[in-house]
Amino acid sequence: AQSVTQPDIHITVSEGASLELRCNYSYGATPYLFWYVQSPGQGLQLLLKYFSGDTLVQGIKGFEAEFKRSQSSFNLRKPSVHWSDAAEYFCAVGAIGADGLTFGKGTHLIIQP
Amino acid sequence: DAGVIQSPRHEVTEMGQEVTLRCKPISGHDYLFWYRQTMMRGLELLIYFNNNVPIDDSGMPEDRFSAKMPNASFSTLKIQPSEPRDSAVYFCASRKGTRGNQPQHFGDGTRLSIL
Repeated sequence: AQSVTQPDIHITVSEGASLELRCNYSYGATPYLFWYVQSPGQGLQLLLKYFSGDTLVQGIKGFEAEFKRSQSSFNLRKPSVHWSDAAEYFCAVGAIGADGLTFGKGTHLIIQP
Repeated sequence: DAGVIQSPRHEVTEMGQEVTLRCKPISGHDYLFWYRQTMMRGLELLIYFNNNVPIDDSGMPEDRFSAKMPNASFSTLKIQPSEPRDSAVYFCASRKGTRGNQPQHFGDGTRLSIL
């Protein structure tokens, strides 16, 4: 069975600084990988996804993520964060032949002025 | 286009009462998922449907939980009788197509509090 680890429960970043959120997965084959964002009281919104091809994927709101097979990682990055990026971020993995997603526990992003 | 619609947004009820959560998926989506989110366990898949048929309910915690999808535009998750440990945010998500690389679209959730 697949699993996802988000090592950082909380991250604090100054507005305008760069951001990297870590995600490590465990799966025997090439997984389907997703990043979602959840604002308080809201559902999860898809930021980006990877399933094949170019290992650097672009998403909405200026986010990007890089799939590194050798490190089993799919880290999320943004060059310059805005106060509105404060939210909970979830990495998720899907497996071939399976329909459900396995989510990490999430990383809570705090933006300092 | 309308997204996934869940109702109610908040539900507070007493232990032992029946609770019914509702979900309207995005039109044209043939997969529907129910998740539960808690601080301790994060997001857990409870059950999902394909073309209104339950495919995998292995995540349903107990017999007190049941889910139905009578048609393509409506699903319910029922808890009877409810217990305080059922307090959580319950999300419904839908997806179009059979390929697992298609994203799931989430509703805003139902925050359930059992007193």
